[in-house]
Amino acid sequence: KNEVEQSPQNLTAQEGEFITINCSYSVGISALHWLQQHPGGGIVSLFMLSSGKKKHGRLIATINIQEKHSSLHITASHPRDSAVYICAVSPYNNNDMRFGAGTRLTVKP
Amino acid sequence: GAGVSQSPRYKVAKRGQDVALRCDPISGHVSLFWYQQALGQGPEFLTYFQNEAQLDKSGLPSDRFFAERPEGSVSTLKIQRTQQEDSAVYLCASSLKGDREVFDEKLFFGSGTQLSVL
Repeated sequence: KNEVEQSPQNLTAQEGEFITINCSYSVGISALHWLQQHPGGGIVSLFMLSSGKKKHGRLIATINIQEKHSSLHITASHPRDSAVYICAVSPYNNNDMRFGAGTRLTVKP
Repeated sequence: GAGVSQSPRYKVAKRGQDVALRCDPISGHVSLFWYQQALGQGPEFLTYFQNEAQLDKSGLPSDRFFAERPEGSVSTLKIQRTQQEDSAVYLCASSLKGDREVFDEKLFFGSGTQLSVL
């Protein structure tokens, strides 16, 4: 079983819809990252969080450490939000990051 | 440059050929990571450098994979005798801090090198 599970795998939305992407993990972590990957491979770090909630523009990320769960929300979605969103965790006892398989989001105009 | 730069952007190799992939991290960044991303999958850790020291190479899939960062800045990932299963995007990321602090630090990713082994 993958240590980081994301859902859904694929998500299609209409422009303007509110979007939620979920991430569950099974290891103890020091931080969780939400990443955005556009076609062509470029990855951008959206959020790094270890507790609570962070907001940047139309993006909101929350984490519940006790439940080992995080969500990424996009309000008023736009076609330019179309990308793969990846959840990654920094485990306590390892140097590496563990990545989810990603959620492919397509926002239609 | 302002970001993490990787070259080449695309590499096609014949099976058995050696390849070298380059990563230029953001200037001054202490930590450097290499990841391998197969098609449709999330990245998987290969190796981690703190300055010139390779502190973790547990993710390297075989002894055909070798990484170095001799002066603590530019890093090279070398794959010897490439096989078809090596085909993937190889991502490099850097972070400002070292030690355990790095794992709570924002990572900056390069655009990756897409390796195709025929």
